[in-house]
Amino acid sequence: AQKITQTQPGMFVQEKEAVTLDCTYDTSDPSYGLFWYKQPSSGEMIFLIYQGSYDQQNATEGRYSLNFQKARKSANLVISASQLGDSAMYFCATSLYNFNKFYFGSGTKLNVKP
Amino acid sequence: EAQVTQNPRYLITVTGKKLTVTCSQNMNHEYMSWYRQDPGLGLRQIYYSMNVEVTDKGDVPEGYKVSRKEKRNFPLILESPSPNQTSLYFCASSLEPIQGVGELFFGEGSRLTVL
Repeated sequence: AQKITQTQPGMFVQEKEAVTLDCTYDTSDPSYGLFWYKQPSSGEMIFLIYQGSYDQQNATEGRYSLNFQKARKSANLVISASQLGDSAMYFCATSLYNFNKFYFGSGTKLNVKP
Repeated sequence: EAQVTQNPRYLITVTGKKLTVTCSQNMNHEYMSWYRQDPGLGLRQIYYSMNVEVTDKGDVPEGYKVSRKEKRNFPLILESPSPNQTSLYFCASSLEPIQGVGELFFGEGSRLTVL
């Protein structure tokens, strides 16, 4: 089975600063996708950003960017200019193209301080 | 409005009493799946379905059943619930692009307590 590791159970960041949430994965398969999801305190899961294993460029979506380092098997999420509404749990996930299973990390709880 | 709808949202039940959590999506997605979320463990996949009548086990299928008789519906069945199935459950659906499964669209979650 795939393994996703998020080593930061909780983090604090000052409003308007950038923050990096770490994610490493373990797979020997060359074809996979990497995802980040946000879960606010209200509980819903919100898709943020996607990176394919064959994509040459790092994915970006507004204030979110994915720092993809394939050799290190790392897919860190960078949030620029943090806002109070960014306070939430963040999950890294991966799916293998061939097996269509999804694997999630244990999450990082981000608190943005005013 | 495009959505994934789960029912019930909250349920307290007793050990051994069969229950079904329904999931329906209106986006014509082929892929649907179920997850349970437990503190410190993130989300773990229970079952998934690539299309009608095609289902497969995820990482934690024990104690659960699913069926996919229609494209839009993917119910999760607990034949004999036990307290260790107390959890927050999510249903999700996705398009199936050429290169693997795309982003998941999640339902709002169903919080289940088994006494």
